[in-house]
Amino acid sequence: GAVVSQHPSWVICKSGTSVKIECRSLDFQATTMFWYRQFPKQSLMLMATSNEGSKATYEQGVEKDKFLINHASLTLSTLTVTSAHPEDSSFYICSARRDRGKVSPLHFGNGTRLTVT
Amino acid sequence: AQSVTQLGSHVSVSEGALVLLRCNYSSSVPPYLFWYVQYPNQGLQLLLKYTSAATLVKGINGFEAEFKKSETSFHLTKPSAHMSDAAEYFCAVTLSGGYQKVTFGTGTKLQVIP
Repeated sequence: GAVVSQHPSWVICKSGTSVKIECRSLDFQATTMFWYRQFPKQSLMLMATSNEGSKATYEQGVEKDKFLINHASLTLSTLTVTSAHPEDSSFYICSARRDRGKVSPLHFGNGTRLTVT
Repeated sequence: AQSVTQLGSHVSVSEGALVLLRCNYSSSVPPYLFWYVQYPNQGLQLLLKYTSAATLVKGINGFEAEFKKSETSFHLTKPSAHMSDAAEYFCAVTLSGGYQKVTFGTGTKLQVIP
């Protein structure tokens, strides 16, 4: 149980275009999902907390107009990288907690490798 | 605020040898601690978690970790390394008392030498 599916697993796009990444909780409802960015050989950096039915909470230094997050349902959150540039190339990972209100582990998607050319 | 420090960005062990990956935490309140494993180009998979019950926690794939409050440590061990254990390991901390953010360490890449 507690499966999180992320799609696509990799994407290559041209500079200036937008890319949408989907994160789905397959067997549980996730009122909150988290989006991380991971640079090569580095740890995960929390970008934002995605809240179902409300605005995402962005971490300091993350441009909310560039990284658009939508959490339209209890099982789906999307991250759109708008007007992508080569410096946005990275590994993006989503995660979700199965149990709200308790400290339960995060369940992660398999990540999306974004390459902007 | 909370943080974790992983000592050693790279650890090499021989197949069959003891695996020891170090993690020290800093927390103003009792923490909850986790170890995750990441294989190349994949997300993170939970190995084990400490949530204030038993201090010695057993996880998947033969891994275990011991919470030592006096040392503020949560080191990950496995008695005998297997080639399939080669991966990156992340220690993570969150605060007890409800819904909190998770903070990750910088990771330790484990190499297993045949």
